[in-house]
Amino acid sequence: DAKTTQPNSMESNEEEPVHLPCNHSTISGTDYIHWYRQLPSQGPEYVIHGLTSNVNNRMASLAIAEDRKSSTLILHRATLRDAAVYYCILKAGGFKTIFGAGTRLFVKA
Amino acid sequence: DSGVTQTPKHLITATGQRVTLRCSPRSGDLSVYWYQQSLDQGLQFLIQYYNGEERAKGNILERFSAQQFPDLHSELNLSSLELGDSALYFCASSVEGHSTDTQYFGPGTRLTVL
Repeated sequence: DAKTTQPNSMESNEEEPVHLPCNHSTISGTDYIHWYRQLPSQGPEYVIHGLTSNVNNRMASLAIAEDRKSSTLILHRATLRDAAVYYCILKAGGFKTIFGAGTRLFVKA
Repeated sequence: DSGVTQTPKHLITATGQRVTLRCSPRSGDLSVYWYQQSLDQGLQFLIQYYNGEERAKGNILERFSAQQFPDLHSELNLSSLELGDSALYFCASSVEGHSTDTQYFGPGTRLTVL
């Protein structure tokens, strides 16, 4: 299973954009890139996913590098409620879902 | 609220015992996943079922077993419990279990083994 690498933690100011990076240099052509986040004392929740093209939804944007070896989750305006652990995951037809350590995002008021 | 329910919320038991954790998926979802989250191991995938059949296996110990019933609810059985089994156990569900599926996670069951 292809692995992902994320920074352990990041800090942002409230109301500012946040760019959370993820490296996945061993990604294969069929791997989808998924992002989940886990708020304190809750189960993970889906954020966004993509294959090759950049994606936008109401929660965030996903920017995927042209060679697909890295991606960036973009929160356009961080709020205190966005403080969570963000996981970047690769999923293919093998069905296993491998979570890494994730990035803990701290948001300052 | 993700629509996935897990019972019980908390479970305290002793080493050597056996417990059963229960998960009800979102209405319409055919696939169920089990994860273990401990402080030192992070979120570990255990096993996935699709419509009653095992689909994928992760780092699930032989002391652990799971099944998905005809009504699609799932149970995770943990036996001969050890102190190291203390963790949060999450269940997730998705429509079919494909790589593009969104997984919806339940609130988890916190297991404490004393």
